[in-house]
Amino acid sequence: QAVVTQESSLTVSPGGTVTLTCGSNTGPVTSGHYPYWLQQKPGQAPRTLIYDISDKHSWTPARFSGSLLGGKAALTLSGAQPEDEAEYYCLISSGGLVFGGGTKLTVL
Amino acid sequence: EVQLVESGGGLVQPGGSLRLSCVASEFTFSSHWIHWVRQVPGKGLVWVSSIENDGRTTAYAESVEGRFSISRDDAKKTLYLQMNSLRVDDTAVYYCWHPGGDHWGQGSLVIVSS
Repeated sequence: QAVVTQESSLTVSPGGTVTLTCGSNTGPVTSGHYPYWLQQKPGQAPRTLIYDISDKHSWTPARFSGSLLGGKAALTLSGAQPEDEAEYYCLISSGGLVFGGGTKLTVL
Repeated sequence: EVQLVESGGGLVQPGGSLRLSCVASEFTFSSHWIHWVRQVPGKGLVWVSSIENDGRTTAYAESVEGRFSISRDDAKKTLYLQMNSLRVDDTAVYYCWHPGGDHWGQGSLVIVSS
């Protein structure tokens, strides 16, 4: 199975913009990997923000967007809010499902 | 309210077995792949196993292949994970996840310890 890499931690200022990325050691992340982005806050189950690169659930705030960028999946947060402070996981389909190690996003 | 309710976790000795159940309510259970995901407290999410909506196609992480078995009973809206030959490193919170609508169980803690 692939190894999926994410930034271990990032910090963004309130109202600022940040991009989280998700790479695979097997090559470029593509639409065929159906990348997901999940958010998890302490003590809670994860919830999906983005699926299939850029599709959103009804609960996904408009400030979150997904894309493919330079061979990686990317999650961009534009206009960060304090409540966006959380752990973010990338998930791809590659010989089964593979999660990245997670990015701890601090809004400060 | 849509729910996935898990049960079956607990303390077991190395080499022992447990069966997790995940019961769904109020949504179309049968129309999607369903997954088990685990998480050691304070650590990241790890995929464990998946089963297709036909119930015939399954997939497992290498770390559990040959020891765990996933199954589903759509009439009962229940997903199962039979865990055999449990090891200390199987200790984690286990979540069932139904991506159609993004339904998650509350998590079931499995502790493998002597």
